Amino acid sequence: DAGITQSPRYKITETGRQVTLMCHQTWSHSYMFWYRQDLGHGLRLIYYSAAADITDKGEVPDGYVVSRSKTENFPLTLESATRSQTSVYFCASSNRGINQPQHFGDGTRLSIL
Amino acid sequence: AQSVAQPEDQVNVAEGNPLTVKCTYSVSGNPYLFWYVQYPNRGLQFLLKYITGDNLVKGSYGFEAEFNKSQTSFHLKKPSALVSDSALYFCAVSGFQKLVFGTGTRLLVSP
Repeated sequence: DAGITQSPRYKITETGRQVTLMCHQTWSHSYMFWYRQDLGHGLRLIYYSAAADITDKGEVPDGYVVSRSKTENFPLTLESATRSQTSVYFCASSNRGINQPQHFGDGTRLSIL
Repeated sequence: AQSVAQPEDQVNVAEGNPLTVKCTYSVSGNPYLFWYVQYPNRGLQFLLKYITGDNLVKGSYGFEAEFNKSQTSFHLKKPSALVSDSALYFCAVSGFQKLVFGTGTRLLVSP
């Protein structure tokens, strides 16, 4: 089963550039999430989506934009990358909200020089 | 606001010995609690959850967790550790529209 896939797995870019991280899930889960993982912080929620065309801010949304035109895709865009956005980004999905187990992709390691 | 604390950055245990990874939480109302495991270069994998009912929750790979309301704790346990259990473990609590994760505990199981 394909599950949830993230691309690219690794990305290096420069400050000020726009970069988009892709997330695709094959389960038709209604909820999708974006997290960033940083040492000492665990995972922090950036944005989430309860359904297509419905998105909402998480804990650390500044500098990020999301869209969800189709249920299976949930791209995350950094409009003007900054060094503080260097991190590992995880996409996740769940079927029926945050009180159900979330299924995670394998992450995108993003370095901003 | 809900929060989770994992007081140990690392736990070391010998193979075959029991293991405990600690988690305490703070949340308004009834807690929904989760444990996830992360292996190197992989995403998090769900282990188990507590919503209501029995205080001892059984999960994947022989793991279980004990919910203690008076101590606001949700410790992860396994009777006999395996070297392959070495990984990063996260406790999480759900609140209004989001899941809050602890900072993680690295478990090292020595042969």
